[in-house]
Amino acid sequence: NAGVTQTPKFRILKIGQSMTLQCTQDMNHNYMYWYRQDPGMGLKLIYYSVGAGITDKGEVPNGYNVSRSTTEDFPLRLELAAPSQTSVYFCASATGIFSSTDTQYFGPGTRLTVL
Amino acid sequence: DAKTTQPPSMDCAEGRAANLPCNHSTISGNEYVYWYRQIHSQGPQYIIHGLKNNETNEMASLIITEDRKSSTLILPHATLRDTAVYYCIVRVFDSGYALNFGKGTSLLVTP
Repeated sequence: NAGVTQTPKFRILKIGQSMTLQCTQDMNHNYMYWYRQDPGMGLKLIYYSVGAGITDKGEVPNGYNVSRSTTEDFPLRLELAAPSQTSVYFCASATGIFSSTDTQYFGPGTRLTVL
Repeated sequence: DAKTTQPPSMDCAEGRAANLPCNHSTISGNEYVYWYRQIHSQGPQYIIHGLKNNETNEMASLIITEDRKSSTLILPHATLRDTAVYYCIVRVFDSGYALNFGKGTSLLVTP
């Protein structure tokens, strides 16, 4: 298993540009998450999904959109990039079974800079 | 949501036990305590979790006080590769059971 994979690893955007961060998992997990991590801080939840076709907002959803058309993929869309979106983005997945004791598996992250 | 409090940083000599404390005084009876770590900006890695009993796995031990208001993660023989930020997290029962990360404890293991 490759686990959770994310592309690209690094990206520089200009203000106002848009892009999609890709996330794929091959563990047949139902739950998927997007987090962002600013320097020196912990991770904050952007969006999450409990299954294909079902998504919901987390703590910091403004400026982002997601979709979940398949179990494997959970892309994160940035529209009109702003400097405040400079961060490291992590995707994670979990089985969702016995949810209170389920563990999350994280991807390696995408480092995004908006100039 | 139950909040956690951790010291911002700790040092530990290689080969010694690293004991990382966490305070979670507002934890509810059915909320679990999780520990994750993040090595040098990689994706966080699961370590261990528990409800009220002490737990041990191949990576670490988790000691939870009887009143469940605090816990300690123990790395029995710390190595240089254990240098990381360690997060103590109380699992929230909304947002699809997302993890609520604070700033964690930055553990430095020295030779």
